[in-house]
Amino acid sequence: DAKTTQPNSMESNEEEPVHLPCNHSTISGTDYIHWYRQLPSQGPEYVIHGLTSNVNNRMASLAIAEDRKSSTLILHRATLRDAAVYYCILRDLGGADGLTFGKGTHLIIQP
Amino acid sequence: NAGVMQNPRHLVRRRGQEARLRCSPMKGHSHVYWYRQLPEEGLKFMVYLQKENIIDESGMPKERFSAEFPKEGPSILRIQQVVRGDSAAYFCASSPLDNSPLHFGNGTRLTVT
Repeated sequence: DAKTTQPNSMESNEEEPVHLPCNHSTISGTDYIHWYRQLPSQGPEYVIHGLTSNVNNRMASLAIAEDRKSSTLILHRATLRDAAVYYCILRDLGGADGLTFGKGTHLIIQP
Repeated sequence: NAGVMQNPRHLVRRRGQEARLRCSPMKGHSHVYWYRQLPEEGLKFMVYLQKENIIDESGMPKERFSAEFPKEGPSILRIQQVVRGDSAAYFCASSPLDNSPLHFGNGTRLTVT
């Protein structure tokens, strides 16, 4: 899996939008961009993934740059339960291999 | 539909004993992955299995660690002759198809005394 770069931590206020950035300048044409998060004392949880187009689901939105060298996970209205470590991971289209987790971004939500 | 089930949730072993960690994937999932998370560190891939086959064990330590996913029953991660450095959270994940999102269990926290 190609390398991704994320800020170590970010802080936001409750009920405000949160934009979590991820750089992946060496992404290949067949790499999907996946986001997972890990709440304290729990296993990671799938959030969203995409290839080229922006994606929306009930949890979040994923905005992918036109050159695919960066992406942004958007939480539209953060709650205290969104406090977690967020991981941006590249996974090859044809790959059934395990995900490679980096250090992620520790998201802190202030009430 | 129950999620990925791991047991036990907590496991304490003395140095030199064996640890057996169990993982029942979600119904219909034939791909199982094991990860280890050391205290204050990130998740490290260990092994990827399909029914009765080890597909990728590139992250498994060369000695003392083994994994299986039999035709019937849960996947087992076995650690023989545990040492203090094996103390960690071990997470299992499953997926139904290649490149499908992974569903993780809540882990087994192994403490070696």
